[in-house]
Amino acid sequence: NAGVTQTPKFRILKIGQSMTLQCTQDMNHNYMYWYRQDPGMGLKLIYYSVGAGITDKGEVPNGYNVSRSTTEDFPLRLELAAPSQTSVYFCASRPTTDREASPLHFGNGTRLTVT
Amino acid sequence: GNSVTQMEGPVTLSEEAFLTINCTYTATGYPSLFWYVQYPGEGLQLLLKATKADDKGSNKGFEATYRKETTSFHLEKGSVQVSDSAVYFCALSDRGGKLIFGQGTELSVKP
Repeated sequence: NAGVTQTPKFRILKIGQSMTLQCTQDMNHNYMYWYRQDPGMGLKLIYYSVGAGITDKGEVPNGYNVSRSTTEDFPLRLELAAPSQTSVYFCASRPTTDREASPLHFGNGTRLTVT
Repeated sequence: GNSVTQMEGPVTLSEEAFLTINCTYTATGYPSLFWYVQYPGEGLQLLLKATKADDKGSNKGFEATYRKETTSFHLEKGSVQVSDSAVYFCALSDRGGKLIFGQGTELSVKP
C-alpha cells in the first residue's frame, strides 16, 4: 500500500547543476501533479498531467520540465538549478472519476536546497 | 482567476479551546472545497471536503460548511488537542481538476 512515493527525501545542489525528482504512484491514477511549497506561500502548481503522454503547465513552470511516459511515473526535471528553486516539492495524484470532488494523494515531499 | 484566502497564522491555542480558521474563495461556478492538514515533516493529508453548497464536511471532530452566499469554508473544532498542532490548508478544485491552495495556517496547541 505504497501510494505516492517520492525520491530523494533531501538534496543539496550547486547553482547550475541539474537533477530529476522522482515520483511514482501505484493507485492507477491518471491525474498527477507537482507542487512546490515555500514558507508562508502555500502550494504552487508547477506542472500537471491528465494521463500518460499528456502534460501541461501550472502556475510556476519556469525552470522545470516534466514527462509522463507511463501512468505510474511523473518525474520533475531541473536543468539549471537556481537559488530561487530552493523549496519543498510535493508530488500528488488523483483518480479521474469525479475528478473535481476526489482528493489528492500526496507524497512526503523532497526538500531541495540550491546553494 | 480562482483563488483561496486563509487567515494568517500562527494561531496559538490552549488545549480544549475552540478553533476557527477562516477560508474564503473566489471561483467561477461551484468548485469542490477541501481542507488538508500537514503534520511536521509529512505531506498533506485530506481532512475533509464538501462538493456543493450547504454541504458540511466533517472528520476527527473538525467541521466546515460550504457557504455559497459568503464564498466561505471556515474550519472549526470545538475542543482542540495538542495532537492537532499542524498546518492547515484550504483548497478548491477547479473544472480542470487542479487544486488551488490557500497559503496555509499554522496551528499550535499548548497543554
